Amino acid sequence: GENVGLHLPTLSVQEGDNSIINCAYSNSASDYFIWYKQESGKGPQFIIDIRSNMDKRQGQRVTVLLNKTVKHLSLQIAATQPGDSAVYFCAERLGSNAGGTSYGKLTFGQGTILTVHP
Amino acid sequence: NAGVMQNPRHLVRRRGQEARLRCSPMKGHSHVYWYRQLPEEGLKFMVYLQKENIIDESGMPKERFSAEFPKEGPSILRIQQVVRGDSAAYFCASSPRTIQGNQPQHFGDGTRLSIL
Repeated sequence: GENVGLHLPTLSVQEGDNSIINCAYSNSASDYFIWYKQESGKGPQFIIDIRSNMDKRQGQRVTVLLNKTVKHLSLQIAATQPGDSAVYFCAERLGSNAGGTSYGKLTFGQGTILTVHP
Repeated sequence: NAGVMQNPRHLVRRRGQEARLRCSPMKGHSHVYWYRQLPEEGLKFMVYLQKENIIDESGMPKERFSAEFPKEGPSILRIQQVVRGDSAAYFCASSPRTIQGNQPQHFGDGTRLSIL
């Protein structure tokens, strides 16, 4: 039968380049955002998080930018390495005032496949 | 390994059988979440539990699916009378007690359920 599965966005970069992965989140009441990396056969691995009262946060080789006006989140990876190849997901969490009993659960984005070529 | 532990890693069942998926949270974590992932999709929330309590089960089908997190032992996601559409990867995550803070959820490596 015809394959009607979803196709994830892909990003291919050369080793050493900087990578930017984008995410549009859905709910303006979300107050906390997380980026996860998922390698084949494994669970999501925490990379970096940011609260809604911030617009930028830096970690080791990674930076997350948050634009609440347009509900956009991005992950920047500096000096990308082959080991960074994976699927990257953004996730949002509703604020405690808006979430009710839903406070705590994460809503995941579609994901982006990052491939780093040596 | 002090991370979230899930077992089994792979589970094969025939249609109509029961599937039991187990999750032991990270040490010190009392909040457990179950998510489901289909190929090439993001994770979809199913249920959120604290010890002996279901906090939010809005993502879990009303029939055939149940979850528990007893006072002692792992959290269990139970699927009765499995159907082919239940084939997916099921992930468990845990977070610390202070949910009001901004504590990321940490995930296990999942159980891949295949229905024959």
